[in-house]
Amino acid sequence: ELKVEQNPLFLSMQEGKNYTIYCNYSTTSDRLYWYRQDPGKSLESLFVLLSNGAVKQEGRLMASLDTKARLSTLHITAAVHDLSATYFCAVDRGGGSQGNLIFGKGTKLSVKP
Amino acid sequence: DAEITQSPRHKITETGRQVTLACHQTWNHNNMFWYRQDLGHGLRLIHYSYGVHDTNKGEVSDGYSVSRSNTEDLPLTLESAASSQTSVYFCASSAFRSRRGGLDEQFFGPGTRLTVL
Repeated sequence: ELKVEQNPLFLSMQEGKNYTIYCNYSTTSDRLYWYRQDPGKSLESLFVLLSNGAVKQEGRLMASLDTKARLSTLHITAAVHDLSATYFCAVDRGGGSQGNLIFGKGTKLSVKP
Repeated sequence: DAEITQSPRHKITETGRQVTLACHQTWNHNNMFWYRQDLGHGLRLIHYSYGVHDTNKGEVSDGYSVSRSNTEDLPLTLESAASSQTSVYFCASSAFRSRRGGLDEQFFGPGTRLTVL
């Protein structure tokens, strides 16, 4: 059974600090997604990671994928208040079930002055 | 601009009633998905479709059905609503990236908040 675990589930940061969110998954997959959700809003796609060693960066966020370790990280550099949101990773089952995503429970990030 | 819409945005219904939630996308995406989001569970896949007349069960499909008669719409029906189906429902769609690359990322609608009393 494919399981996706994120940690931490809650993260309170000070502005200007760096931190990393971890996403572990239990079975083979070479397709991983990161989404952002603001309170009461929909999900916004941040990154699509399609191969081992993939690294993508957008502003203060950088995501990486290690398929051998079954681990993805979302690194936050010099956090600002606007990054406060819930971040989800999702893993594609692949094979005949492409697009059948298993989501982690999310990491609620709060960035404080 | 292309978009994905859901209606209604809020719905209150009674136990045992049939409810249909609409999802419409103008991206011309072949692939469409329905999720529910609950505190403590994150998002869970209910049903999905790879194209017209194709439907597949997801992780939590019991009590739900979908049908795909055209590319743009994937309505979700709760045959007999139960209090356990109180949730926020999201519809999503994606394009087919390539045979090797699989599906592109999913774009989500604004959500429908359903309350079953």
